[in-house]
Amino acid sequence: QKEVEQNSGPLSVPEGAIASLNCTYSDRVSQSFFWYRQYSGKSPELIMSIYSNGDKEDGRFTAQLNKASQYVSLLIRDSQPSDSATYLCAVRVAAGGTSYGKLTFGQGTILTVHP
Amino acid sequence: DGGITQSPKYLFRKEGQNVTLSCEQNLNHDAMYWYRQDPGQGLRLIYYSQIVNDFQKGDIAEGYSVSREKKESFPLTVTSAQKNPTAFYLCASSLQGRRANEQFFGPGTRLTVL
Repeated sequence: QKEVEQNSGPLSVPEGAIASLNCTYSDRVSQSFFWYRQYSGKSPELIMSIYSNGDKEDGRFTAQLNKASQYVSLLIRDSQPSDSATYLCAVRVAAGGTSYGKLTFGQGTILTVHP
Repeated sequence: DGGITQSPKYLFRKEGQNVTLSCEQNLNHDAMYWYRQDPGQGLRLIYYSQIVNDFQKGDIAEGYSVSREKKESFPLTVTSAQKNPTAFYLCASSLQGRRANEQFFGPGTRLTVL
């Protein structure tokens, strides 16, 4: 079982719809969760971080975390063609009480928003 | 402007050669990281460094080496021992503490072995 799993897609949604991206993780002691957006040929860009159960909203983006079920999701409201990209889920597990914990990435979900 | 720079953007290497990828940041971040990305895959950690003169192996360190002589710089050498080095290489940096893993990435170096 992979540590962080995402459906590779592609996920195709019409412009204006809600895009829902999901991520599951295997390690129950995971503490921090991140969503990165990566346009083709470019580097990842951090768009959301979430640390506690529940929802976190930032503009058109909402991250949802459920530690009991070990999943984290990203909702994109009013999807635009410019949202077409690969979305990477990343999970941090604390390492021995130090301030650093390894960040593990999923393989990414390709999102296509069509006009 | 604060940020992370990587050079070169594209790099071609002949088999048997060592090459060094540059990564510089002026964000005053303590921690720096090197990742490799292959097509259709996520990022895999090669090496990371929390402080100057200290670094640790990640998941796929074989065939790579790093140094951290300055806080701002974390160069990666891809040695001839790396059997399949063609990939997109990404450097990242972060603060320490709770925000340690809000990592910010440079633009990347695309390495191709001829």
